[in-house]
Amino acid sequence: DGGITQSPKYLFRKEGQNVTLSCEQNLNHDAMYWYRQDPGQGLRLIYYSQIVNDFQKGDIAEGYSVSREKKESFPLTVTSAQKNPTAFYLCASSIISRGNTGELFFGEGSRLTVL
Amino acid sequence: AQSVTQPDIHITVSEGASLELRCNYSYGATPYLFWYVQSPGQGLQLLLKYFSGDTLVQGIKGFEAEFKRSQSSFNLRKPSVHWSDAAEYFCAVGFLTGGGNKLTFGTGTQLKVEL
Repeated sequence: DGGITQSPKYLFRKEGQNVTLSCEQNLNHDAMYWYRQDPGQGLRLIYYSQIVNDFQKGDIAEGYSVSREKKESFPLTVTSAQKNPTAFYLCASSIISRGNTGELFFGEGSRLTVL
Repeated sequence: AQSVTQPDIHITVSEGASLELRCNYSYGATPYLFWYVQSPGQGLQLLLKYFSGDTLVQGIKGFEAEFKRSQSSFNLRKPSVHWSDAAEYFCAVGFLTGGGNKLTFGTGTQLKVEL
């Protein structure tokens, strides 16, 4: 089945450590996105990428980094510079060519807790 | 910049009762509009979308939404709620760019269904 796989589902981190969240898609979508979700704040865009080896900052990119070495993969690193990293992280993908109707397809999410 | 307002943080309805979740947006042109649903600890699932044509759109699970340009609204409705509809609902607005689907999400409405 086609879809987006995020791992791990739960992750605990000590302060000062970097952690990397994995996102893989087999939908053959060109664009991929990372959102952060906090209670009562909806979803906020961290980074997005429309093509391999290229990505752009979203609204809250500080303290995060990404890479896009393969079309299928878009890992997110939460660095020690992120002041409040405890959150639910959602990866999404979309087409951007003919037939695009604007929607995003989401993974199941990864919950990061800083101890 | 576009924005989305979901004025109701929590809504409680009895099973079998009708439901309407409100969504208002601010955007200079007619945007693409979406409703997503999220069960606890899960990703977001698309319920329905509007991008052109008929202003009353049908979605999955018996949901529908009506786009009213004059009111900048895209309210979600269901004639008879089932206990399994209890979840969080997000309205989103977006537009297509060459760089992907940039969606702005509301803060969500938590739906509780009383048996």
